Amino acid sequence: GAGVSQSPRYKVAKRGQDVALRCDPISGHVSLFWYQQALGQGPEFLTYFQNEAQLDKSGLPSDRFFAERPEGSVSTLKIQRTQQEDSAVYLCASSLGPLAGPSDTQYFGPGTRLTVL
Amino acid sequence: GENVEQHPSTLSVQEGDSAVIKCTYSDSASNYFPWYKQELGKRPQLIIDIRSNVGEKKDQRIAVTLNKTAKHFSLHITETQPEDSAVYFCAAEGAGSYQLTFGKGTKLSVIP
Repeated sequence: GAGVSQSPRYKVAKRGQDVALRCDPISGHVSLFWYQQALGQGPEFLTYFQNEAQLDKSGLPSDRFFAERPEGSVSTLKIQRTQQEDSAVYLCASSLGPLAGPSDTQYFGPGTRLTVL
Repeated sequence: GENVEQHPSTLSVQEGDSAVIKCTYSDSASNYFPWYKQELGKRPQLIIDIRSNVGEKKDQRIAVTLNKTAKHFSLHITETQPEDSAVYFCAAEGAGSYQLTFGKGTKLSVIP
């Protein structure tokens, strides 16, 4: 079946602009995660949703970062007043969720490469 | 919170040789340890995982071992092939946390 998809794949923003990144998880997946991957580094956790509920946002680096999943499916990560240090690949992942048992597989999307000039 | 260290950062092997990548973690409550392969510009792909009630798991040329006492786990790739060249990430998931903490990655180059 279709995997996790993300759009846009590439985004260039001028410093100070707002951006919105979209994630379409695998159909039926309850859990959705956002990660930030800086060049040459491993992904770092940003936030976690279970259906529409944002259960963990401890990884969001500042209050300029905001994520939502209003209907428990598609999710949007919004970054306000972008800064150069926000340049990274933003990865979305989804999994079946807690009803599937502990520690089920997270499937990643291709990511959105954000470049802030 | 959890901290995952991964070594080495780069690894070059001759085709047909074995490759070993090692990770340590800090949270003794962590109970799930996946390994992801990421080719340049592509998404991370799960290649194997292990849970804390198992010491070793194999899938064809790939194996993972876990030592909970020492808090380390390793990826073993045998009979390496050029298509194994990629960046490999280990990760750990703490009990009840769902989020994955990743290592910094190992760039594996398999030389034909």
